Amino acid sequence: NAGVMQNPRHLVRRRGQEARLRCSPMKGHSHVYWYRQLPEEGLKFMVYLQKENIIDESGMPKERFSAEFPKEGPSILRIQQVVRGDSAAYFCASSPMSGLRNTEAFFGQGTRLTVV
Amino acid sequence: DQQVKQNSPSLSVQEGRISILNCDYTNSMFDYFLWYKKYPAEGPTFLISISSIKDKNEDGRFTVFLNKSAKHLSLHIVPSQPGDSAVYFCAASAETSGSRLTFGEGTQLTVNP
Repeated sequence: NAGVMQNPRHLVRRRGQEARLRCSPMKGHSHVYWYRQLPEEGLKFMVYLQKENIIDESGMPKERFSAEFPKEGPSILRIQQVVRGDSAAYFCASSPMSGLRNTEAFFGQGTRLTVV
Repeated sequence: DQQVKQNSPSLSVQEGRISILNCDYTNSMFDYFLWYKKYPAEGPTFLISISSIKDKNEDGRFTVFLNKSAKHLSLHIVPSQPGDSAVYFCAASAETSGSRLTFGEGTQLTVNP
């Protein structure tokens, strides 16, 4: 029973390049959440998606960041024209329920993005 | 605007003793609180939660206490074990924000043998 799978685990990008982070939720889970952890800080909510729908993107930066969760395949967090400040650990969580309180949300191991 | 604060970045205790991790919040709309444990290079793992209608929830060695009037919660681990050494995050959610969790900065717990 595989958990939440994120890849790549580590990603290095030069300033101005694009970063694509993937998240495959646990089997049977149709809700995905993305969080970002900057160095020495807690996790910050970015976006909540269901299949083919963005439910809450109130934590997403207004520019350069986008997320999708297509009918088939993993959820993708896309960062265009990366800058050094985007360097962080990006965590994905999934759950089987809607409007949940995250007790049943399981986190992936994260993708550590480094912008050089 | 840090709505959930963990004022102690680190805590060190002896094996067998009690570990007490503290968390304060400012948003009175928060009505559900969770603790997560995180090892290096891994994702957070859910530990225990508490609803605002309760003031205590216990699960084995872990107990969470909630003081709504003080907007304060704490996690007690007793007895502490070396394997408990990790970063502990307090998180909160509000019914109005559904699935969105607001995390504290975390407290690094070290349990010494």
